[in-house]
This record gives sequence, C-alpha cells and structure tokens, in this order.
Amino acid sequence: SQTIHQWPATLVQPVGSPLSLECTVEGTSNPNLYWYRQAAGRGLQLLFYSVGIGQISSEVPQNLSASRPQDRQFILSSKKLLLSDSGFYLCAWRTGTWETQYFGPGTRLLVL
Amino acid sequence: AQSVTQLDSQVPVFEEAPVELRCNYSSSVSVYLFWYVQYPNQGLQLLLKYLSGSTLVKGINGFEAEFNKSQTSFHLRKPSVHISDTAEYFCAVMAGGYQKVTFGTGTKLQVIP
Repeated sequence: SQTIHQWPATLVQPVGSPLSLECTVEGTSNPNLYWYRQAAGRGLQLLFYSVGIGQISSEVPQNLSASRPQDRQFILSSKKLLLSDSGFYLCAWRTGTWETQYFGPGTRLLVL
Repeated sequence: AQSVTQLDSQVPVFEEAPVELRCNYSSSVSVYLFWYVQYPNQGLQLLLKYLSGSTLVKGINGFEAEFNKSQTSFHLRKPSVHISDTAEYFCAVMAGGYQKVTFGTGTKLQVIP
C-alpha cells in the first residue's frame, strides 16, 4: 500500500533562518505531488505542485520554493523565513488526474 | 477558474443530532467534488468523493453528500453525530482535466455531549 511521510513533525525556527521540509511517498511511482499551507482560519492554500522530476509549478509567489530531486521526493525550502511563514504544511500525492488526493501527516512550523 | 465556498466556519451540534455542512462551488467546466476530514494536528483524510453517476454519495463514518448541479452544491450530511466526529471538514473541487484541487476554508464541527 502507499504511504506518505513528512518530517519533521514540528519545527520552531527564528526569523531569517533557512527552511527545508521533506516529503516522500512509498508504494507508487510517478505521482503528482503537492505542497499546501494551512494557516489559522484560512483553509488550505496550494503552494506548489509537481507532475514529474524537476517539474515545479508555483501557485502563489512568496518566500518559498520547491524541488523534486527524485520521483517520490518533494522538498519545500526557504532561504530566509518570515513570521508569516508560520503554519501547518501538508504534502499530498495522487497518481493521476482523476484520482483521489492523499495527504501526509503535516509539519507544524512556528517562526519566531 | 474554480472556487469553493464553505459559508459556515463553525457548526456546533448536540450528540446524536443530525448535521449538514454546506459547500457551494463555481466552475465553468464539469467538476469532481470531495469532502475531507481533519482531526487536530493531523493530515486530511478523504471522507467521500463524487466523480460521476449517482448524485448521492456515501462515505466513511456514516457521512453522505449530495451533488446538486443546478444549485452548484455538495452538502455533507450525517443523520446522527458522535463526539468522535468533532473535527474540521473541507470541501474540495477539481475541474475536469485540471491538475490541482481547490479547497474551501473549512468548517469546524463541534459535537456537544
């Protein structure tokens, strides 16, 4: 069966520090991968999605970037964190256009 | 462009009472609709989905939803809620042929004992 991992589960970082969140999927190949941010009272905001290695689409211009160095690995990064980057970051995957999207357990980021 | 509206940010309901969580969408093409549930500090779990066929969709944990094309709605219902249903519920829409899913802002269901 397929599983999706995210780490770390919780992260506290100072403003201006770099960020790297990792997401990996097991049990499937060539998935579509997604990064969402969930801020209090704002629902889920799609940040990036990827349909293949090295292919990244950005939905919202901001302080973050994403990379997909391997088929089942999706990384969310920042060179300098802002206070507004705090939130709950969710990675998701699905195998095709009409398939269900499945979510990872999330990473809670607090920028101080 | 597609969008989803969940008008109720919070819905309190007594245990064993029925509940309806509202979801309206807009899209210029055919859509696929989803309801997800999120328990505190966890990821999202799929409750049910509508892709085609019968407009009444049954999901896990006794939930069901009805797709109404004329009213562009996909309301979630449960005839009798339990304390364990306390969570946040997200409606989502995917337009035909599109790579991304758009989520609503969520509805927090609070079941009161």
